[in-house]
Amino acid sequence: GENVEQHPSTLSVQEGDSAVIKCTYSDSASNYFPWYKQELGKGPQLIIDIRSNVGEKKDQRIAVTLNKTAKHFSLHITETQPEDSAVYFCAARQENSGNTPLVFGKGTRLSVIA
Amino acid sequence: ETGVTQTPRHLVMGMTNKKSLKCEQHLGHNAMYWYKQSAKKPLELMFVYSLEERVENNSVPSRFSPECPNSSHLFLHLHTLQPEDSALYLCASSQDGAGALHFGNGTRLTVT
Repeated sequence: GENVEQHPSTLSVQEGDSAVIKCTYSDSASNYFPWYKQELGKGPQLIIDIRSNVGEKKDQRIAVTLNKTAKHFSLHITETQPEDSAVYFCAARQENSGNTPLVFGKGTRLSVIA
Repeated sequence: ETGVTQTPRHLVMGMTNKKSLKCEQHLGHNAMYWYKQSAKKPLELMFVYSLEERVENNSVPSRFSPECPNSSHLFLHLHTLQPEDSALYLCASSQDGAGALHFGNGTRLTVT
């Protein structure tokens, strides 16, 4: 089955700096890679996702890159703000293959220091 | 609001109690999920329902019993739990088992 590794487990950055979180996956058949943000007292919320037919996707200050050959994908947050502080999860699954479950990484706790 | 509503938000129960967690989704999705979130562990998939039929049961102990009466509602019935079952229980939904999951805010369960 799929296995997703996520690094680092904790990350502290100064406000305005960039933050990068990296994930690797094991199943080459995986083709869908979402990122979730979980704030205190809330459930994970989708912030961006990418499918294996593209290598990069951007949404304002957030971007995700995918390297299918190396089986890794990364989340980039630029111009970080205190409200970006949260736990971020990467995940991977094979779409269009029945109900293949979404497999999550262990999460990265991001702290943005004002 | 997330479109997925979970009640109660917090629950404290003794090991001999019976309680139920409720989830309702307002997104028109046809698949629903229960996840367990414990400290320093990845999100653990417990159950998947697609079109109201259970399609995934990840070796979850029988003291957890799911129920999906229709595509908008999902329950998790709890009985004779153990302290190690204390965790955040998250409900999620998706369309056709593909794409993103939409999570509720969870029920924080404490077993005493």
